[in-house]
Amino acid sequence: AQRVTQPEKLLSVFKGAPVELKCNYSYSGSPELFWYVQYSRQRLQLLLRHISRESIKGFTADLNKGETSFHLKKPFAQEEDSAMYYCALSGGAGANSKLTFGKGITLSVRP
Amino acid sequence: GAGVSQSPSNKVTEKGKDVELRCDPISGHTALYWYRQSLGQGLEFLIYFQGNSAPDKSGLPSDRFSAERTGGSVSTLTIQRTQQEDSAVYLCASSFIGNTEAFFGQGTRLTVV
Repeated sequence: AQRVTQPEKLLSVFKGAPVELKCNYSYSGSPELFWYVQYSRQRLQLLLRHISRESIKGFTADLNKGETSFHLKKPFAQEEDSAMYYCALSGGAGANSKLTFGKGITLSVRP
Repeated sequence: GAGVSQSPSNKVTEKGKDVELRCDPISGHTALYWYRQSLGQGLEFLIYFQGNSAPDKSGLPSDRFSAERTGGSVSTLTIQRTQQEDSAVYLCASSFIGNTEAFFGQGTRLTVV
């Protein structure tokens, strides 16, 4: 079974502080991991995925298969980063390909 | 082209009534999802359609919930005999195949009074 755990519901930091949003997963095969973001009054949208290995809006995430983690990091938070963040997993093709989401975390960046 | 479109945007219904929520996915997307989003519960998976395969209904919370996808395009989520605990935002998403970027609709906010 696919499972995504985001252990924290809320993270509040000051502008310029580092951010780490935690995500752990459970999957027996080789998963694909994603981070989705929902800004206030906007649609849920993809932020980044592990296979692209790119930095989006200063955010990066590294897949650690040993620790089954995919934590999202940003060295210097900005106020516009305030949003709801969801970690998601897909098992790949076929029947396992559905996206399973964690419960999400609210990031609040204070001025 | 247009993104994922959901209708209605808001729906207020009386307890016990049936409701239908509609999702128009992005053209050409073979995968379609329904999720429910409520405070404290995050994104709860409901159902997943992938091409011509049998849908994954493992997330439907009760037999009052059903969904269909006609012609591989538009999908309808039906909730029969609505209860107050059904109040939530219902999100639809589509993607080319299951393991690629999913594009979300704006959601339908359902309120059962």
